[in-house]
Amino acid sequence: QSALTQPASVSGSPGQSITISCIGSSSDVGANDYVSWFQQHPGKAPKLILYDVSHRPSGVSFRFSGSKSGNTASLTISGLQAEDEADYFCCPFITGNTWVFGGGTKLTVL
Amino acid sequence: EVQLLESEGGLVQPGGSLRLSCAASGFTFSNYAMTWVRQAAGKGLEWVSAISGNGDTTIYADSVKGRFTISRDNSKNTLYLQMNSLRAEDTAVYYCAKDQYNWNSIMDVWGKGTTVTVSS
Repeated sequence: QSALTQPASVSGSPGQSITISCIGSSSDVGANDYVSWFQQHPGKAPKLILYDVSHRPSGVSFRFSGSKSGNTASLTISGLQAEDEADYFCCPFITGNTWVFGGGTKLTVL
Repeated sequence: EVQLLESEGGLVQPGGSLRLSCAASGFTFSNYAMTWVRQAAGKGLEWVSAISGNGDTTIYADSVKGRFTISRDNSKNTLYLQMNSLRAEDTAVYYCAKDQYNWNSIMDVWGKGTTVTVSS
């Protein structure tokens, strides 16, 4: 089982931009371009906000963007809004044809 | 609108069994792979198992391999997860999710989840 590292928490003020990193290895994040990100509000189901590193599903705000360099994937949220306060999980596709989740990052909008 | 509705979970004793189901609507069920993901209280997400659209291919996390069985009935648009030899560490909210494509793709729509508690 791979181990992915995300910061436990990040914070920002409304209107600011924040970036959440997801540090993995050549067996997961660095293995391909199938990295996704999920947003989860308290008590709710996760919601897919990015797939294939930087693609947004229909209906997801353009304020969410993604990138990857080597074994590190990143989620950037620009123009922070109160509704963005949630937990965020990275999710790369790994060898063995399965998915693995990062530990999650709690975003606080100040 | 795509909708996924998990059956009610419940309290099960260690070593016991439970079958979860997930009723799907709003899409052509047999065209998509389906996945189960779980989340222990206050913890992160854990991918559990996936099944191809026609049900021929299944895959499991090491933590449940040999104990859980994923299956589907495309005539009933329903996904199942048979959980045997349950352990305390299986206690979690279980989500069913639709995959983007027929296989090896990300989970793009999720159910609301159902709670399974394994305790004596």
